[in-house]
Amino acid sequence: EIVMTQSPATLSVSPGERAALSCRASQSVSSHLAWYQQKPGQAPRLLIYGASTRATGVPARFSGSGSGTAFTLTISSLQSEDFAVYYCQHYHNWPPYTFGQGTKLEVK
Amino acid sequence: EVQLVESGGGLVQPGGSLRLSCSASGFTFSSYAMHWVRQAPGRGLEYVSAISSNGGNTYYADSVKGRFTISRDNSKNTLYLQMSSLGAEDTAVYYCVKDSSSWYYSDYWGQGTLVTVSS
Repeated sequence: EIVMTQSPATLSVSPGERAALSCRASQSVSSHLAWYQQKPGQAPRLLIYGASTRATGVPARFSGSGSGTAFTLTISSLQSEDFAVYYCQHYHNWPPYTFGQGTKLEVK
Repeated sequence: EVQLVESGGGLVQPGGSLRLSCSASGFTFSSYAMHWVRQAPGRGLEYVSAISSNGGNTYYADSVKGRFTISRDNSKNTLYLQMSSLGAEDTAVYYCVKDSSSWYYSDYWGQGTLVTVSS
């Protein structure tokens, strides 16, 4: 089973600033990496797939990068609605498609 | 519009059983793999199980292997999760999740159904 590790667990950033969230895989997942956003009481929402492709309707301030074992989700200028928990998930080869433990993005 | 509506959650005693259902609409259900993902209160997302589009291939997390069974009825556009020998560690919101193809990224999530295991 591939282990996904996200850092930091909590990131405190001011609105308007840039945030960078990290995700690492215990073995290469190529570009088979997705990012999800989850707000309290809501289901997760797909943001990024293929490590860098934005899902439909996702604002351009969200960008993903990386391949192999190291990935980054960058939010260029934080809006109030972006403060949430973010999860990475690999979908390499066959399930289980494990998740990282999440990064909580909070207002500084 | 893709819709995934879970049902069947509730309070169950330790050692008990429960069957979750997920009614799908807005897409050709029989063409996509499907997944179950759970989230314990205040915790992160945990991958539970998956099934191929025709039901011929299934996968389970080690934590539920031998206790949970995933299935689907493509004629009814419905995904199921039969859960048995439930313990407190199974208390969670269970999400039904659509694959974007077959063994690819997940693109749509249901709103989830809460399963509480307690005496």
